[in-house]
Amino acid sequence: ELKVEQNPLFLSMQEGKNYTIYCNYSTTSDRLYWYRQDPGKSLESLFVLLSNGAVKQEGRLMASLDTKARLSTLHITAAVHDLSATYFCAVVLYGGSQGNLIFGKGTKLSVKP
Amino acid sequence: DVKVTQSSRYLVKRTGEKVFLECVQDMDHENMFWYRQDPGLGLRLIYFSYDVKMKEKGDIPEGYSVSREKKERFSLILESASTNQTSMYLCASSFRDRATNNFGPGTRLTVT
Repeated sequence: ELKVEQNPLFLSMQEGKNYTIYCNYSTTSDRLYWYRQDPGKSLESLFVLLSNGAVKQEGRLMASLDTKARLSTLHITAAVHDLSATYFCAVVLYGGSQGNLIFGKGTKLSVKP
Repeated sequence: DVKVTQSSRYLVKRTGEKVFLECVQDMDHENMFWYRQDPGLGLRLIYFSYDVKMKEKGDIPEGYSVSREKKERFSLILESASTNQTSMYLCASSFRDRATNNFGPGTRLTVT
């Protein structure tokens, strides 16, 4: 059974600081997604990581994937209030049903002035 | 851009009622999914469909059924709604062999 664990689940940080969200998964997978969700809204795709060592950056967010360690990180640089949201990682179930994503429980990020 | 639409943003139903949640996508995707999202539990897959009239159970199918009569439309049915089905329901779609990347706006269902 594929399990996806994120930590921390809650993160309160000040503007201008850096922090990292971690996503561990328990079995082999070769695709990992990061999503953002604002309160009351649906999920917005941020990054798709397709191979070991993949790194993608968009603005103040950078995501990386280490398939050997079964670990992905989402690094936040110089946080701003607009980044406050819940962030989910999701892993494709390898060899499972087509396109079945297993989600972590999410990290609720609050950036304070 | 792919558009995934859901019939209602907010829905309030009574215990025992039959509830239909509709999802439509406009990109000719083979795969369609229904998830529910609950605080502290993340997103959990209820059912998915990989073709017209084809369906597979996800992680939590109990109390739900689905219908896919046309490629663009995937319906989630609560035969007899219960209070523990109060939740946010998210529909998604993708091409075959591709993980879902396109979510609808969600339907917040309250069962009283």
